[in-house]
Amino acid sequence: DAGVIQSPRHEVTEMGQEVTLRCKPISGHDYLFWYRQTMMRGLELLIYFNNNVPIDDSGMPEDRFSAKMPNASFSTLKIQPSEPRDSAVYFCASRDRANQPQHFGDGTRLSIL
Amino acid sequence: AQSVSQHNHHVILSEAASLELGCNYSYGGTVNLFWYVQYPGQHLQLLLKYFSGDPLVKGIKGFEAEFIKSKFSFNLRKPSVQWSDTAEYFCAVRSYDMRFGAGTRLTVKP
Repeated sequence: DAGVIQSPRHEVTEMGQEVTLRCKPISGHDYLFWYRQTMMRGLELLIYFNNNVPIDDSGMPEDRFSAKMPNASFSTLKIQPSEPRDSAVYFCASRDRANQPQHFGDGTRLSIL
Repeated sequence: AQSVSQHNHHVILSEAASLELGCNYSYGGTVNLFWYVQYPGQHLQLLLKYFSGDPLVKGIKGFEAEFIKSKFSFNLRKPSVQWSDTAEYFCAVRSYDMRFGAGTRLTVKP
């Protein structure tokens, strides 16, 4: 299995631009998670899905952030408009059922200038 | 509020020294406990996990962790560290959802 695949690996853009991060979970995994990692706040859960349905989005920092999972093999995290404080590494993770560990993607390093 | 605390932000050790990284949590009910490792430039990898049973859990690369329920702790240990253990270590606790500690950066000097 290829593991959790995220794209792009790096993204540099100017503030105000729309940013879309993509994730392909491991095939057969029912849960998908989006995390943000910063030096100041560490690793934070933003949102997670179960069977393509958003279950908990309480970690989404503000309305500029949105996430979708149109099917079992694809999810996006969108920031519009982006701001410099959104600069971070964004991780996607998936797991197949409760009580199993999550498998993480390589992350997307996002820099907003 | 539910939280996960890692006591040390940065630990510096020489090779062959023993390691113990602290992790405490504030959840009241049944929890699953994890340690993840992030090597420089790489993604998070699972080091070990505890769900139930023997509170002393052995993971990969010689790491182990002990769950002490009365202390709400899940400390990570390794008897003798190597330079290749230089990485960031995250404790995580799952009850309703997953919460991570702030991470501990370990630097092992050769």
